[in-house]
Amino acid sequence: SQQGEEDPQALSIQEGENATMNCSYKTSINNLQWYRQNSGRGLVHLILIRSNEREKHSGRLRVTLDTSKKSSSLLITASRAADTASYFCATDSKAAGNKLTFGGGTRVLVKP
Amino acid sequence: DAEITQSPRHKITETGRQVTLACHQTWNHNNMFWYRQDLGHGLRLIHYSYGVQDTNKGEVSDGYSVSRSNTEDLPLTLESAASSQTSVYFCASSRGANGGNEQFFGPGTRLTVL
Repeated sequence: SQQGEEDPQALSIQEGENATMNCSYKTSINNLQWYRQNSGRGLVHLILIRSNEREKHSGRLRVTLDTSKKSSSLLITASRAADTASYFCATDSKAAGNKLTFGGGTRVLVKP
Repeated sequence: DAEITQSPRHKITETGRQVTLACHQTWNHNNMFWYRQDLGHGLRLIHYSYGVQDTNKGEVSDGYSVSRSNTEDLPLTLESAASSQTSVYFCASSRGANGGNEQFFGPGTRLTVL
């Protein structure tokens, strides 16, 4: 079963616009991670946010975490065509034996 | 540079055959994982290992086995391939004492079972 559920499932935006995607989960977590997957490739780690953190930045990425709502969001600012990919959240929780559980992903298309 | 590789990248096999997918990492990570990725299911954990001689079942382990004889390799074996095992398989590794840290993924193996 999936701990994380991403929303929306797909997103289409113009280059230069911001892209926001959300992840909801069911049980208390140790940390939450976001990964990117380009078509036909493996996943690449983007950012990790711990359960006691509320916001984290990395370049054009901004991640927020609301443990009271059991949700996280990933914002990509000033998107580029190269940001076209699928984005997955993954939660690490004691309930899952301290292993990562991945959501179904959000497919992002950035049109030039 | 350290890396994680998988072979083969593509494999076509027949129902009932035994298939082994290789995973090799040069990160010197303790932890290694096998996932399958299917449309509509995201990534699902098959088996994982936290060190040499350690192996554990994941969410979808039926029909699969792994062995860990050294730090670098975690081969995944399909004992008797079934059409339901047609999928893309990813190997990953991470450092640390458990599986919750950042994971480094291989490029994937696309397996088709006819």
